[in-house]
Amino acid sequence: AQKVTQAQTEISVVEKEDVTLDCVYETRDTTYYLFWYKQPPSGELVFLIRRNSFDEQNEISGRYSWNFQKSTSSFNFTITASQVVDSAVYFCALSGVIQGAQKLVFGQGTRLTINP
Amino acid sequence: KAGVTQTPRYLIKTRGQQVTLSCSPISGHRSVSWYQQTPGQGLQFLFEYFSETQRNKGNFPGRFSGRQFSNSRSEMNVSTLELGDSALYLCASSPSRTGGPDTQYFGPGTRLTVL
Repeated sequence: AQKVTQAQTEISVVEKEDVTLDCVYETRDTTYYLFWYKQPPSGELVFLIRRNSFDEQNEISGRYSWNFQKSTSSFNFTITASQVVDSAVYFCALSGVIQGAQKLVFGQGTRLTINP
Repeated sequence: KAGVTQTPRYLIKTRGQQVTLSCSPISGHRSVSWYQQTPGQGLQFLFEYFSETQRNKGNFPGRFSGRQFSNSRSEMNVSTLELGDSALYLCASSPSRTGGPDTQYFGPGTRLTVL
């Protein structure tokens, strides 16, 4: 069975601080995808990044960076110099790559609040 | 390109009624998935449709059903509504060009309240 754990339920920081959101996953698949989504108060899930299990290269996109470590089954997300607009609930998710396995397993989410 | 659209955005029903939610995927996307989001259970997968066929189904009772039309638009139906069905229902579309798993892009959701 697949499982995603986001141990941090809520995080609150002051604007301009760096913040890291943790994600740990479990899967028996040797090939899989990992995702991060952002859910602002409007409710829509906004896609941020997808990582293939065979690609452990870290990624940076502006103030966002992702650290994928297969050895520890973790896919952590860091926001540098946080801004109030980053306030949202962030979800880590996992899916298989088997044909027909179009199903995302989500973590419980981390509610991030950036205070001015 | 227009994003995923869902209608209606808000819905209030009473127990025992049935409801139909609609989802229009991003143009060219062939796969449509549905998820239920509640404070207690989080985000849970309902089912996925690809080329008008249900390919995958989550662990929900038979009261939850769906279908996909030839233009990839999808509907989900919940019959005999229960209070516990109150949730945000999210639809996601995916290119799935080769038929395999792909990134899913979500719509704004339909918030269903059952009284």
